[in-house]
Amino acid sequence: AQSVTQLDSQVPVFEEAPVELRCNYSSSVSVYLFWYVQYPNQGLQLLLKYLSGSTLVKSINGFEAEFNKSQTSFHLRKPSVHISDTAEYFCAVSESEGNKLVFGAGTILRVKS
Amino acid sequence: DAGITQSPRHKVTETGTPVTLRCHQTENHRYMYWYRQDPGHGLRLIHYSYGVKDTDKGEVSDGYSVSRSKTEDFLLTLESATSSQTSVYFCAISESGTHYNEQFFGPGTRLTVL
Repeated sequence: AQSVTQLDSQVPVFEEAPVELRCNYSSSVSVYLFWYVQYPNQGLQLLLKYLSGSTLVKSINGFEAEFNKSQTSFHLRKPSVHISDTAEYFCAVSESEGNKLVFGAGTILRVKS
Repeated sequence: DAGITQSPRHKVTETGTPVTLRCHQTENHRYMYWYRQDPGHGLRLIHYSYGVKDTDKGEVSDGYSVSRSKTEDFLLTLESATSSQTSVYFCAISESGTHYNEQFFGPGTRLTVL
């Protein structure tokens, strides 16, 4: 069975500092990986996804994530965060032949001024 | 934004009462999902539907039932609510349900069972 581990429940960081949110997964088959973001009192929105090809994927608002198959990781990074990035971030995995997502427990990113 | 609404948005009920949550979509997507979100657990799948009258169980389906009589509506019912079902419930939709197809989420329903 698939599982997703987000290693940090909360990450506090100052504005304009870099940040990394860690995600590790376990699966015995090929997977597809996703990062979702949830702003306060809202539903989840897809931030970025890895399906195949280049292991580095990027979002339109400056986040990027790298798929590392040997380390079964899909860490999310941003070189300079903004106050508006404050949100909860969820890593999710789907098996290549599946139609369901398995989510991690989430990481709350708190950006301080 | 994907056209997904959930009703009610907030509900407080008592243990033992039945509760029905509604998800309505205007996107004509085939797949619909119900999740619950709890601190420390992320989102966990309760049930999902892959077409009218076609549903299947998810990871945490005990105590919940679903129905889908129309493409646009997916109902989640708690037959006899318990305090452990206090949670935030999210509906999601997906065009085809395949691994690469994005799931779009509704705004959520906060349910409190006293």
